Parts: sequence; structure tokens; C-alpha cells
Amino acid sequence: QKEVEQNSGPLSVPEGAIASLNCTYSDRGSQSFFWYRQYSGKSPELIMSIYSNGDKEDGRFTAQLNKASQYVSLLIRDSQPSDSATYLCAVNLGSGGYNKLIFGAGTRLAVHP
Amino acid sequence: EAGVVQSPRYKIIEKKQPVAFWCNPISGHNTLYWYRQNLGQGPELLIRYENEEAVDDSQLPKDRFSAERLKGVDSTLKIQPAELGDSAVYLCASQAGGTGRKDTQYFGPGTRLTVL
Repeated sequence: QKEVEQNSGPLSVPEGAIASLNCTYSDRGSQSFFWYRQYSGKSPELIMSIYSNGDKEDGRFTAQLNKASQYVSLLIRDSQPSDSATYLCAVNLGSGGYNKLIFGAGTRLAVHP
Repeated sequence: EAGVVQSPRYKIIEKKQPVAFWCNPISGHNTLYWYRQNLGQGPELLIRYENEEAVDDSQLPKDRFSAERLKGVDSTLKIQPAELGDSAVYLCASQAGGTGRKDTQYFGPGTRLTVL
């Protein structure tokens, strides 16, 4: 079993719709979680971090964390063609300031006009 | 604030040749990471530095890979000799470090290595 699993996609949504991206992880001790966006040929860019169960909203993005079920999700409201990218879920296996990110393989999102 | 700088951006070499990648982290960031990203996969950690000390190199293939971070700032990752399977993007990331929520890693643009 992979430590961090994501559906590779592509996830295709029409412009203006809500895109829902999911991620599951295997280490119950993980404390912090991240979503990175990666455009083709570019480096990953942090868009959301979440540390506590529940929802965290930032503009059109909402991250959701459920530690009991070991999943993290990212919702993108009012999706735009510019959101088309690969979204990487990362789980921090470290603690106490020690950071060891394990990345999923990413979900490719395609937003069509 | 300048971001993480990497060079070269692209490198094409013949197998068995050596290659080196350079990274300059964000000013003041004590923690530096080297990742390898294969096509269609997420980044995989190779080595992590706290200042000049390599504190996690468990996933670095030590028979052919080496890294250094002299003076706790810039870092160099070397492969010698390169193999076909080393073709990938090599990403450097830096982090402010410390406790609390200073755990955001900022990535450089990467070096795309092609081994022929």
C-alpha cells in the first residue's frame, strides 16, 4: 500500500463547477497535510496547508481533513481553465519541527470552457 | 524576496558521465531538501539538510549520489556515474525551519536531467 494515494485522473470539470480532489494516507501519526499545484513543466507551488480536522477555506479553495478516516480533500469552487494542473497531496510524516513530506502521485485536473 | 534558485535548468548527458546540480535556498532558510521527481509521480525525498548537516539521507543512493551544503547555504547534488534511470527532474526546496507552523517548503524551478 502506498503511503499517500491519489486518483491520477484526469478529472475533467466544466468552467464554473466545483472540482473535488481526494487523497488518502496510511500513517495515522501524520499531523500536517499540504496541497501543492504543479503546472506542466513547472515546480510544485503550495496552495493549502491543513493541520486540524475539519475545513479550512482560502478564497476558492477549501481543504478538508478527516484524521479518523485518514483522508484529505481539496475543493476548488468556480473552477477556471487556469486551475488546470496536477494537484499533489503531501503528508508530513515528521514531528516536532522535523519535516518529511511524502507526496502522492498527483491528480491531473482539466477545466474546460 | 527571491525564491529558490537552481541551475542548470536542463542537462543532457551520456550515461556513465558525471553531473552536478546547484541550489541556492531562500535567504535565512536553514532547512534544504533535494527531491527527485519522475514523470507522472510526486517528488521523492533524496536528502534533507539542517544548516550544513545532512539529517536524513536514507533515500539517497549513496553508491552514485553525493551531496554537500558547505557553510549551510548553497548546496550541490552530484551523480557519478549517471545511469539511464536517473533521468528525472531534480528539485531543491527550502524551509524556514524551527517549531510551530514554519513548515512550508518552497520549491525551486528544478533541473531536468536527461541521460542518453
